[in-house]
Amino acid sequence: AQSVTQLGSHVSVSEGALVLLRCNYSSSVPPYLFWYVQYPNQGLQLLLKYTSAATLVKGINGFEAEFKKSETSFHLTKPSAHMSDAAEYFCAVGGEEGSQGNLIFGKGTKLSVKP
Amino acid sequence: GAVVSQHPSRVICKSGTSVKIECRSLDFQATTMFWYRQFPKQSLMLMATSNEGSKATYEQGVEKDKFLINHASLTLSTLTVTSAHPEDSSFYICSAQPAGSTYGYTFGSGTRLTVV
Repeated sequence: AQSVTQLGSHVSVSEGALVLLRCNYSSSVPPYLFWYVQYPNQGLQLLLKYTSAATLVKGINGFEAEFKKSETSFHLTKPSAHMSDAAEYFCAVGGEEGSQGNLIFGKGTKLSVKP
Repeated sequence: GAVVSQHPSRVICKSGTSVKIECRSLDFQATTMFWYRQFPKQSLMLMATSNEGSKATYEQGVEKDKFLINHASLTLSTLTVTSAHPEDSSFYICSAQPAGSTYGYTFGSGTRLTVV
């Protein structure tokens, strides 16, 4: 079985500060890992995904994440927060054989950016 | 890139009525689509996997007779909430998986259902 734990339901940073959103996963098979962003009353937009290639994954909007197998982590970072980054962020895992491709989502982390 | 259109974006219906939500893949064929439900301030929970030309696979605890899924073509899946009740009020999101792809990674914009 697979699961995702996002540490911190709410993270607040100042504009220009480092953004760090934490995600730990559990998987009995090599995982595929994803970060999505959701703005209010909207669907999900893929930020980046890890699919067993490079462990450091660069995504859109300046975000990146590093897959660390030893720590079972896939934390999302951005060097300098922008006001437009304020949103809900979801980490997700996939990869279990026979899952038909559905994703297991974490509970989400709401990012607030202060001016 | 792959685009998924979900309609309607918002719907209010009376208790006891049925509501149909459409999920369309606009520029690719989707052999598989996924329907998720999201409660306020919570994560997405997979409700069912919709496969073109065959019956949907429902997750444990999801009533298949209440949430009817039809995937009649490679570009359209529909979710019908039958005999809706206030507890069915939620945000429903679909995800479409391009043919030949392993993971459903393109999401619709969601449908806010309010049952009064």
